[in-house]
Amino acid sequence: QVQMVESGGGVVQPGGSLRLSCATSGFTFTTYGIHWVRQGPGKGLEYVAAARINGKNYADFVEGRFTVSRDNSKNTVFLQMDSLRVEDTAMYYCTRDGHTGNYVTFDYWGLGTLVTVSS
Amino acid sequence: AIQMTQSPSSLSASVGDRVTITCRASQDIRNELGWYQQKPGQAPKLLISAASSLHSGVPSRFSGSGYGTDFTLSINSLQPEDFATYYCLQDYNQPLTFGGGTKVEMK
Repeated sequence: QVQMVESGGGVVQPGGSLRLSCATSGFTFTTYGIHWVRQGPGKGLEYVAAARINGKNYADFVEGRFTVSRDNSKNTVFLQMDSLRVEDTAMYYCTRDGHTGNYVTFDYWGLGTLVTVSS
Repeated sequence: AIQMTQSPSSLSASVGDRVTITCRASQDIRNELGWYQQKPGQAPKLLISAASSLHSGVPSRFSGSGYGTDFTLSINSLQPEDFATYYCLQDYNQPLTFGGGTKVEMK
């Protein structure tokens, strides 16, 4: 069955870096886009980035600080986060785009990995 | 980026009630909108895509409608397991954007 497992979260000081991983299994990785969504404490969902089959996208707030990549040999997507800010504190989820027709459909999600940016 | 405005931000309802949540886009997004349900401590779950297409396994009491800028998620005969927070997501263009969420609480 489809599985998505995030890792790499932790506590980091402002200005620091973290690399999150999203390990996947149970589907043909190379034919699906994988996206990152975050949720700050007590807040709503916020779109972060996409590692699509043929490109990458980022939310406006990223401002060049995050880089998404995919390793097709490991069925894994990475989110490199640099110049972290306190406001980046959140649970980070990876999710698969089931691409139902031409629509983005986040049909499978991981359980999330927690990132805390604090001095 | 396209702004998605959800209303209300919260509502109180009873089991058996019909609940309606709205989402308004800052520009025309055709029908490229999805709805997600999230319960505390859990990842979100897909309910509806393409504004009105029910995802596999989602109960038929959930329905979606709308086109252009105004969209609605309805829940007929609210069940105990439906108390949760609901989010819309526009997938018309990148970056994708979520609405602020609607928390459905027990009255």
